[in-house]
Amino acid sequence: AQSVTQLDSQVPVFEEAPVELRCNYSSSVSVYLFWYVQYPNQGLQLLLKYLSGSTLVKGINGFEAEFNKSQTSFHLRKPSVHISDTAEYFCAVSLTGNQFYFGTGTSLTVIP
Amino acid sequence: IAGITQAPTSQILAAGRRMTLRCTQDMRHNAMYWYRQDLGLGLRLIHYSNTAGTTGKGEVPDGYSVSRANTDDFPLTLASAVPSQTSVYFCASSAMMNTEAFFGQGTRLTVV
Repeated sequence: AQSVTQLDSQVPVFEEAPVELRCNYSSSVSVYLFWYVQYPNQGLQLLLKYLSGSTLVKGINGFEAEFNKSQTSFHLRKPSVHISDTAEYFCAVSLTGNQFYFGTGTSLTVIP
Repeated sequence: IAGITQAPTSQILAAGRRMTLRCTQDMRHNAMYWYRQDLGLGLRLIHYSNTAGTTGKGEVPDGYSVSRANTDDFPLTLASAVPSQTSVYFCASSAMMNTEAFFGQGTRLTVV
């Protein structure tokens, strides 16, 4: 069985401060990992993905994530957040069966 | 503009009624998916299709059916709606196995 755990349901952070959104997964096989962002009343948009290769992945809007196989984690980071980063963030895993499994989401609120 | 189109954007439906949510993509993606998004539960996979002519069950398939007659269309049908099917429904597609999924804007369905 596979699952995705996002440890924080809500994360408030001041503007220009760094942020880390945590994601852990469980799987008995190799996975591919993704972070998506959802702005209010919109669909999900891909931030970044890890398929293979370098464990540090850079995405759009200044976000990055690091794949840690030993800790089965894929935490999302940004060194300095902006008001426009306020959104819901979802971590997802994909298996060879072509199915994506999502975490329950983390609501990031950037405080001016 | 290339992407995924969902219709309707929102709907209020009486319990017991039949409803079909439409999803069309113009990216020629092989795989398509239907998710439901509920507060605190993230996105859960209802059904998926790896290629035209094939479909599969996801995590929460009961009460829903899908068809994939061609590459572009992937309708989701609720045969007899119940209030627990009140949710936001997202259609998604991906080009190949384990590549990122692209999402539509969602359909907000309320069953009363």
